[in-house]
Amino acid sequence: AQSVTQLDSQVPVFEEAPVELRCNYSSSVSVYLFWYVQYPNQGLQLLLKYLSGSTLVKGINGFEAEFNKSQTSFHLRKPSVHISDTAEYFCAVGGPYTGRRALTFGSGTRLQVQP
Amino acid sequence: GAGVSQSPSNKVTEKGKDVELRCDPISGHTALYWYRQSLGQGLEFLIYFQGNSAPDKSGLPSDRFSAERTGGSVSTLTIQRTQQEDSAVYLCASSLGTGGAGNEQFFGPGTRLTVL
Repeated sequence: AQSVTQLDSQVPVFEEAPVELRCNYSSSVSVYLFWYVQYPNQGLQLLLKYLSGSTLVKGINGFEAEFNKSQTSFHLRKPSVHISDTAEYFCAVGGPYTGRRALTFGSGTRLQVQP
Repeated sequence: GAGVSQSPSNKVTEKGKDVELRCDPISGHTALYWYRQSLGQGLEFLIYFQGNSAPDKSGLPSDRFSAERTGGSVSTLTIQRTQQEDSAVYLCASSLGTGGAGNEQFFGPGTRLTVL
């Protein structure tokens, strides 16, 4: 079985500051890794994903994440946040060897960007 | 093109009543998923459909929950004899069937269910 831990439930940050949202996972098999964003009253939208290859993955809206196999982490970063980045961010794992197609999600991190 | 749609957007019901939640996936997507998002928690997998294969029901929390997918498109999630702990946002997602688990899942806006 897989599990995902998002270490911070809330992250307050000032506009134009850098941010890192932490994600650690546990799995006995190789996995794919995803970050989704949920804006208020909307469904989830894919930010980026890691399937294989380069461990640094770039996504939409200036976000990037780095897969670290030895630390079983997939932290999300942005060098300069905007007010519009205020949302809930979910880390998720899935993959061809997990035994199912559905994703396993973390509990989410609420990013609050302040002016 | 149109994304995943869900109806109703909000549903308030009394304890013990049955409810039906509907999901219209993106046209051409053969995989469909139901998740539940409870307050302060992540998304919990409920059920997965892929084409004509038998659905993966491993996430359904009890036999009060069931789902069907008619004609490989629209899906209905039914909760019988609702309980207060069923209150949550129910999210539907769809993805292309080919390419495996790396395919992006596209999510609908969800149905917020409140059981009084």
